[in-house]
Amino acid sequence: GAVVSQHPSRVICKSGTSVKIECRSLDFQATTMFWYRQFPKQSLMLMATSNEGSKATYEQGVEKDKFLINHASLTLSTLTVTSAHPEDSSFYICSASLKEPYEQYFGPGTRLTVT
Amino acid sequence: GQNIDQPTEMTATEGAIVQINCTYQTSGFNGLFWYQQHAGEAPTFLSYNVLDGLEEKGRFSSFLSRSKGYSYLLLKELQMKDSASYLCAVSDNDYKLSFGAGTTVTVRA
Repeated sequence: GAVVSQHPSRVICKSGTSVKIECRSLDFQATTMFWYRQFPKQSLMLMATSNEGSKATYEQGVEKDKFLINHASLTLSTLTVTSAHPEDSSFYICSASLKEPYEQYFGPGTRLTVT
Repeated sequence: GQNIDQPTEMTATEGAIVQINCTYQTSGFNGLFWYQQHAGEAPTFLSYNVLDGLEEKGRFSSFLSRSKGYSYLLLKELQMKDSASYLCAVSDNDYKLSFGAGTTVTVRA
């Protein structure tokens, strides 16, 4: 149980284009979904927290107009990187949690490369 | 804010024991998690401590002392497949996770 999927697993896009990443909880309804970014040899950094039907809460330093998050249902959240630049190249990981026990279940990650 | 410290790297021999320490200073606390992460993959859950003491799960054990802001992950009977990065993460009052930088464990034959 508690499986989270992400799509796509890898994406290469050109600078200036937008990329959408999907995060789905496959066998449970997630109260909250989280989006993280991980640069090489660094730890996960929380970008934003999203709850179904409400606006995402962004961490300090994360541009909400650049990283659009939509949480349309209890099983799906999407992250759109708008006008991507090479410095946005990173490993993007989502997680989903139940109200209790509040453990976060991580998706397999999406490797974004902006050329 | 959260400040979470763990060693950068550790090396051990197959069959041995390794202990990874984590110290934290946080503005809120709702538990401490340990995750394993292989290169290029997402983290996988290893353990969760919210009360003081030792939690044992097979070859892996985790300890927590809330008064000292200290935890450790103990890996016994090391296997080559245990070579990975181990992440200490603290859950705050809003149940958001803050991660340490990770400890890369290399297991040698």
